[in-house]
Amino acid sequence: DAGVTQSPTHLIKTRGQQVTLRCSPKSGHDTVSWYQQALGQGPQFIFQYYEEEERQRGNFPDRFSGHQFPNYSSELNVNALLLGDSALYLCASSSRATEQYFGPGTRLTVT
Amino acid sequence: QKEVEQNSGPLSVPEGAIASLNCTYSDRVSQSFFWYRQYSGKSPELIMSIYSNGDKEDGRFTAQLNKASQYVSLLIRDSQPSDSATYLCAVKSGGYNKLIFGAGTRLAVHP
Repeated sequence: DAGVTQSPTHLIKTRGQQVTLRCSPKSGHDTVSWYQQALGQGPQFIFQYYEEEERQRGNFPDRFSGHQFPNYSSELNVNALLLGDSALYLCASSSRATEQYFGPGTRLTVT
Repeated sequence: QKEVEQNSGPLSVPEGAIASLNCTYSDRVSQSFFWYRQYSGKSPELIMSIYSNGDKEDGRFTAQLNKASQYVSLLIRDSQPSDSATYLCAVKSGGYNKLIFGAGTRLAVHP
């Protein structure tokens, strides 16, 4: 049974560029949540997708957007990258109100 | 006041001792609480969930919840060097599955 997968593992981008991160949820899960974890901090909630719609959003600017596909996989897009966007981006999957399980994360470095 | 607070540590305990990790939260209506373990450079791994007041035991781990005091703790018995990691406390917020994390407590178990 495959767990949560994320791609790519690492990414280096330049300020002002755009990036797309991808996530496939655990089998049987239909909800995907995205988090940003800066060094030395706990994960911060970006948004959550269910039934292909953004269901809830954290305190992140509109530069952060996402999408969920019919197979429940999801993408996180970040436009106009800033140095402060450098972080570990985590995808978590769940089903309804069950526990959330994290993927391995994507380490984004903005230079 | 932060929504979820943890001592940053490091908490240093000798091998075989009991490690006690604490967390307080501000939202009185929170009903679901989680402990995640995060090794350096890795993603968070769910180790315990607790929903009712009292203790919940799973192997060497015991989670304790006191909703009146808005306090959650994690006890690790017979601590091993492999338990050395950052432990993140998370609280489910709102009607959906959004998690609010503390900054984590770094635990170091020395032989």
